[in-house]
Amino acid sequence: GAVVSQHPSWVICKSGTSVKIECRSLDFQATTMFWYRQFPKQSLMLMATSNEGSKATYEQGVEKDKFLINHASLTLSTLTVTSAHPEDSSFYICSARGASHNEQFFGPGTRLTVL
Amino acid sequence: DAKTTQPTSMDCAEGRAANLPCNHSTISGNEYVYWYRQIHSQGPQYIIHGLKNNETNEMASLIITEDRKSSTLILPHATLRDTAVYYCIVSPLTDKLIFGTGTRLQVFP
Repeated sequence: GAVVSQHPSWVICKSGTSVKIECRSLDFQATTMFWYRQFPKQSLMLMATSNEGSKATYEQGVEKDKFLINHASLTLSTLTVTSAHPEDSSFYICSARGASHNEQFFGPGTRLTVL
Repeated sequence: DAKTTQPTSMDCAEGRAANLPCNHSTISGNEYVYWYRQIHSQGPQYIIHGLKNNETNEMASLIITEDRKSSTLILPHATLRDTAVYYCIVSPLTDKLIFGTGTRLQVFP
């Protein structure tokens, strides 16, 4: 299957700082990428959908100014958590889909801890 | 909100078939049934999807009832590595996925 990577795999930051998470499709061109958040013992929650070259579409209740998403190329999307606070600590997972795919391929996730 | 209902947890003996049910009584005509699984602290892994016909691949089989209101994912010979949370999701083809709470499958020796 297609491979999606994320970087970093884990990050610890101080409250008030910004953190950028990268999501890359390694062997296919991702026309659409998705960002999810998962709190401990809960299911994945979709945050936003991004198409290459377009602005991201955010799910209801997700602050677009706090979670900045950029999908500037067909292999890279970034999620920036701005002015992070302890309540933003979570497992962030991206997924990607190419034009010929009917399914999404998920990255391994990034664990964010905000102190 | 998720459009599917799954049992919270199930157990299966290693080597036996694991049959995971899913109810999706409000499924629309253009919605597919997708199955993903998530092993602890990893990203979800795609398993299989189907519209109305039964599907089989190297990982599993998907049985969809004729009225499409429910389905069953079958892992023919469960191994310890199949222990995971299994998510059944209904969605139009290539649309976004909304995850429910899934079924926690525990495979025991």
